Amino acid sequence: NAGVMQNPRHLVRRRGQEARLRCSPMKGHSHVYWYRQLPEEGLKFMVYLQKENIIDESGMPKERFSAEFPKEGPSILRIQQVVRGDSAAYFCASSQDSSYGYTFGSGTRLTVV
Amino acid sequence: KNEVEQSPQNLTAQEGEFITINCSYSVGISALHWLQQHPGGGIVSLFMLSSGKKKHGRLIATINIQEKHSSLHITASHPRDSAVYICAVRPQGAQKLVFGQGTRLTINP
Repeated sequence: NAGVMQNPRHLVRRRGQEARLRCSPMKGHSHVYWYRQLPEEGLKFMVYLQKENIIDESGMPKERFSAEFPKEGPSILRIQQVVRGDSAAYFCASSQDSSYGYTFGSGTRLTVV
Repeated sequence: KNEVEQSPQNLTAQEGEFITINCSYSVGISALHWLQQHPGGGIVSLFMLSSGKKKHGRLIATINIQEKHSSLHITASHPRDSAVYICAVRPQGAQKLVFGQGTRLTINP
């Protein structure tokens, strides 16, 4: 049981490119959460997904950001046309259900140059 | 005002000292989490609490639901405890976590 796997660990993109961040939840976990940590700021909720469904995307910017958790494969956080302000650490967490604790991944550190 | 407030923001202590980090929140919650983050590192879940007290090794976490307050204690602190400690709550009826700003702890040898 490898825990929550995020890749890549570090991602550098030029302004205007697309960034794809992947998260494989722990085995048996069907709930996935994405959080963003801007430099020198606290963690902020972005989106909560279950298999094939977005349950709560109230923390996602309305434009350029999207997330999915397909029936097969990892959850993907996609950022189109990245800007310097998107530079942050993006963490994924998974849980078995809401009454259980969360397991966090190691994060993806996105740098936009 | 943030829904979750931690104090202090920064804490420096000598090895062996007893450490207390406080967390106050303003909403009804289903659970409270204490997390640890090392510089440039991932996030480790230390405790999930809904009432009372939990202990794991040198770490103790308590929560008072009526006062909307939790504390994280570290006994016999060690330089490897140096990290950012984050309090997070799951509001009632919600699935997401709401985070405090974190407490940066430095333990000097």
